[in-house]
Amino acid sequence: DTAVSQTPKYLVTQMGNDKSIKCEQNLGHDTMYWYKQDSKKFLKIMFSYNNKELIINETVPNRFSPKSPDKAHLNLHINSLELGDSAVYFCASSQEDRVGTEAFFGQGTRLTVV
Amino acid sequence: AQSVTQLDSHVSVSEGTPVLLRCNYSSSYSPSLFWYVQHPNKGLQLLLKYTSAATLVKGINGFEAEFKKSETSFHLTKPSAHMSDAAEYFCVVRIPSNTGKLIFGQGTTLQVKP
Repeated sequence: DTAVSQTPKYLVTQMGNDKSIKCEQNLGHDTMYWYKQDSKKFLKIMFSYNNKELIINETVPNRFSPKSPDKAHLNLHINSLELGDSAVYFCASSQEDRVGTEAFFGQGTRLTVV
Repeated sequence: AQSVTQLDSHVSVSEGTPVLLRCNYSSSYSPSLFWYVQHPNKGLQLLLKYTSAATLVKGINGFEAEFKKSETSFHLTKPSAHMSDAAEYFCVVRIPSNTGKLIFGQGTTLQVKP
């Protein structure tokens, strides 16, 4: 069973469109994240949700809106897509009340804006 | 503030020879440190983690890392490289709070030559 799964794996879309990426974890974790990996492979956190509550919002344009319908899901909706949004987006989860806990990552969604 | 510096952007070794990927960290607190590996077009997989227990940490696939507080280092090593080790490696520090935020190094590309 896949621990953290995201869909779609690849997403090609035109500038100006609105798109969503879905993420689900079956690990029973209480915290979920979105990370962005740029063309130089640098990874940076975008959002963090703990028990469906937004904890981290890292200077991300408000065109990006995360939604957490329950603890097991964290979706990312992007409005008015721009060329610079092209990247790989990773969903992750962890259990934050465990000391030194690691994050489990999904396979990534490669978004290409044309 | 927490930060991570991977000292080499690219490391090339021959199959069967030792691997050394260098990482230095900066943290105001006792850190949790991780090494993740990313194979081409794949997600991030945890190799090993340090959480203030033993300073020599053993991970999967024969990798290990040693936490050296005096040198603020957490270098990753493997005695004998295998072709399947070719990938991108990330040294990561975890912000010690309930946010679970991870700070990634810039990544090191490991090339293994036959």
